[in-house]
Amino acid sequence: TQLLEQSPQFLSIQEGENLTVYCNSSSVFSSLQWYRQEPGEGPVLLVTVVTGGEVKKLKRLTFQFGDARKDSSLHITAAQPGDTGLYLCAGFMNTGNQFYFGTGTSLTVIP
Amino acid sequence: NAGVTQTPKFQVLKTGQSMTLQCAQDMNHNSMYWYRQDPGMGLRLIYYSASEGTTDKGEVPNGYNVSRLNKREFSLRLESAAPSQTSVYFCASSEESSWGYYNEQFFGPGTRLTVL
Repeated sequence: TQLLEQSPQFLSIQEGENLTVYCNSSSVFSSLQWYRQEPGEGPVLLVTVVTGGEVKKLKRLTFQFGDARKDSSLHITAAQPGDTGLYLCAGFMNTGNQFYFGTGTSLTVIP
Repeated sequence: NAGVTQTPKFQVLKTGQSMTLQCAQDMNHNSMYWYRQDPGMGLRLIYYSASEGTTDKGEVPNGYNVSRLNKREFSLRLESAAPSQTSVYFCASSEESSWGYYNEQFFGPGTRLTVL
């Protein structure tokens, strides 16, 4: 059983549509990160959120950390084909100094 | 500045064979990690090294051993490979923040391992 569950697992949308990816857990994390991974490459960090309720915006991407620091969401506005990739959330626990990755959301944006 | 490098990029083993995956980083990071990535399961931590000279088990350590050779290098060894170890292996490094709240990880390009 994964500590962090992401939904949906797969998402295929048309260019210009909006979408939201969810990352949920019953555990509390001291911080949460979102990564994007392209085929054949390692994940690349998009953002880190550290405060419950925090919202960060990167151009068309909006990230939110839940008030209780157990969940997070990624919202993409007006998706573009360049947004295609695997999106991974990762929660950090001070206890044990470990990251726990989510199950991943594979996004395809169709031109 | 190459970041995190991994060798080899691809490897095919027969059941029972052994091999070592190499990882090096040039960012002077203290912490290094080994993950495996399987479809539908994201990344799972195998072992990590918080600093030179220390290693700790992650979620899925069975069947693996690691060595933190120095601050730059962190290797992963499969002593007797099994088909269940077919996966993509990623090495990562990070610099622990002063208050330990978050560590930004930088990943290598991965090693694609198939065990027949």
